[in-house]
Amino acid sequence: KNQVEQSPQSLIILEGKNCTLQCNYTVSPFSNLRWYKQDTGRGPVSLTIMTFSENTKSNGRYTATLDADTKQSSLHITASQLSDSASYICVVSGVEGGSTLGRLYFGRGTQLTVWP
Amino acid sequence: KAGVTQTPRYLIKTRGQQVTLSCSPISGHRSVSWYQQTPGQGLQFLFEYFSETQRNKGNFPGRFSGRQFSNSRSEMNVSTLELGDSALYLCASSATDYSYEQYFGPGTRLTVT
Repeated sequence: KNQVEQSPQSLIILEGKNCTLQCNYTVSPFSNLRWYKQDTGRGPVSLTIMTFSENTKSNGRYTATLDADTKQSSLHITASQLSDSASYICVVSGVEGGSTLGRLYFGRGTQLTVWP
Repeated sequence: KAGVTQTPRYLIKTRGQQVTLSCSPISGHRSVSWYQQTPGQGLQFLFEYFSETQRNKGNFPGRFSGRQFSNSRSEMNVSTLELGDSALYLCASSATDYSYEQYFGPGTRLTVT
């Protein structure tokens, strides 16, 4: 069964500290993996998208890594800021048998809170 | 380029009523997807429209329906509302393949009382 699991479910860190969020998936075959940031009551905003051949991608203080062999991804946030407080959602795209159209599988998200 | 817009942003309805939500995609995008987001279930895929045709569908009852117009604008309708339909409804637009990159709107917060 295709699934996406994220950990931890929630995380509290102090401003200025670094943190790493995890995403494990069983989606196969795999097309791409993306991380979204969602502020409370708002729509998700894309942080990174990685295909099978990419193992690292950065967007400012956000760095995503991908290990397609172990089906694991992580999102590392450097020098956290209060504005980083949000839910971070991992989304994996796979192609179902016989279809040329990808299907999306969503993790439940990690709720990050940054305290001053 | 203007982003994805959704109207209305907030809505309160009573059980048994029906509701229509609207989504305008980014100019030039032909794919519009709809999602329901609740605290307990996270983001769940409702359906995707491309060039006025429903191309993909999630596991939701027939009370949830949608359509797309020739200008790519999309509407989602929920009939016979239930308390469990209270959620944030998000739409996202993509140029062609929604499974690659998509841009989300701000959402419509629906409360059913």
